[in-house]
Order: sequence, then C-alpha cells, then structure tokens
Amino acid sequence: EPEVTQTPSHQVTQMGQEVILRCVPISNHLYFYWYRQILGQKVEFLVSFYNNEISEKSEIFDDQFSVERPDGSNFTLKIRSTKLEDSAMYFCASSRGTVRPPNEKLFFGSGTQLSVL
Amino acid sequence: RKEVEQDPGPFNVPEGATVAFNCTYSNSASQSFFWYRQDCRKEPKLLMSVYSSGNEDGRFTAQLNRASQYISLLIRDSKLSDSATYLCVGPYYGGSQGNLIFGKGTKLSVKP
Repeated sequence: EPEVTQTPSHQVTQMGQEVILRCVPISNHLYFYWYRQILGQKVEFLVSFYNNEISEKSEIFDDQFSVERPDGSNFTLKIRSTKLEDSAMYFCASSRGTVRPPNEKLFFGSGTQLSVL
Repeated sequence: RKEVEQDPGPFNVPEGATVAFNCTYSNSASQSFFWYRQDCRKEPKLLMSVYSSGNEDGRFTAQLNRASQYISLLIRDSKLSDSATYLCVGPYYGGSQGNLIFGKGTKLSVKP
C-alpha cells in the first residue's frame, strides 16, 4: 500500500539553526500538508500546498517557515531560525484531490520529531 | 473559538465493553468529518469517514447528528488493541479554502 514517507525520523538542532524536514507524498496525490504536534497537545495545521503553491496556512506558519516542492516527488518544510517552541513532531500528509479540501481524508507520514536545544 | 471539541478522557473500560465518544463542532455548514486513531507518538491513522448520517465498519460505528452538531464513535466488543487516542477531525473554513482541524483527542484504555 502506498504511503507517505518522512525523513529524518528525529532531528536535533541548536536554537537559531535552520532545519529542513523532508517528505515524499503518495505519488498520485495532489494536495500536501504539514501539521505539527507539540508533546501532549493536539495536532495543529500548518500549511497546505497544491499546484506548486501554498493554498492555505495557519497563524503558526509565519515568515520563519517555508515549503517547497523542489522536484516531482519531494515536499519540504524549512524552518529558518529555530526556536525552542518549535520542538514538536512534524507530520506530512497528502490527499488524493478527488474532492477539494477540507472534505477529503488525509494520509499521514510517520513524522519527524524535532528537538530544538 | 474552537471548531471541534472532545472529552479528553481517559476512558478506562474492560475488554468486551462497548464505549462511545462524542465530538461537538461549531460550524453548522460542516459536512465531512473523520475519526482518526493515534497511538502514542505515532502518526494519526484514519479510522472512519463520516459524510452523511453515519458509517459502520465491523465493531465501529460513527454517527453524525446535524441537529445537535455532534459526531459520535461507538466501539463494540472492545479489544486490548483498541487502546489509543481517538481524534475527531472536522473542517475549518477560516481561510480561503478550508482545512481539516483536529480535536484534542479522547484517550481510551482497554483493560484485560
């Protein structure tokens, strides 16, 4: 069964450093997403991406964050200057695009645990 | 303003019990909901979609009550492996397109 893959599974970084989290969405899916989950809290929407551009973003997704689809398979989340409060599990997700968001189920990757020291 | 709210639990039930969770939503125009299951420090996995009046899959039944604006999940004959956090997911239309937002989750613990 096709799945969303994320790398790395764990990332440790120093405050102020840049990090790039990588995702390979399911190949025939059209919508891509990043969510995050701070330990003990709910899963929070960051951004959605369609047709090579951001289609929706939350208040969390400020100027420190950016997303890119550098080629036909990868989808990346960059945090320019990490803060302690960026420590969280970051989940990538994708959806088929047969129904427009938000009416379609999401398929999640296994996440990247980001620890900012 | 919270779009999706759940009782955090925990619900502690014996094996074989029937357990039900509710989730309330605030946007009366919302049409599509989902129940996801999340194991500790793992990704959410889709359990069921709830598009209209309800959905049933084996021991699991999801219902949508539009009049009272809530979604329910019923688990019959609970198994130890059902222990997890159950996430209610619904649409949020704060932006131009809308996206799915998650409730805080209801923790279920099934005991032998």
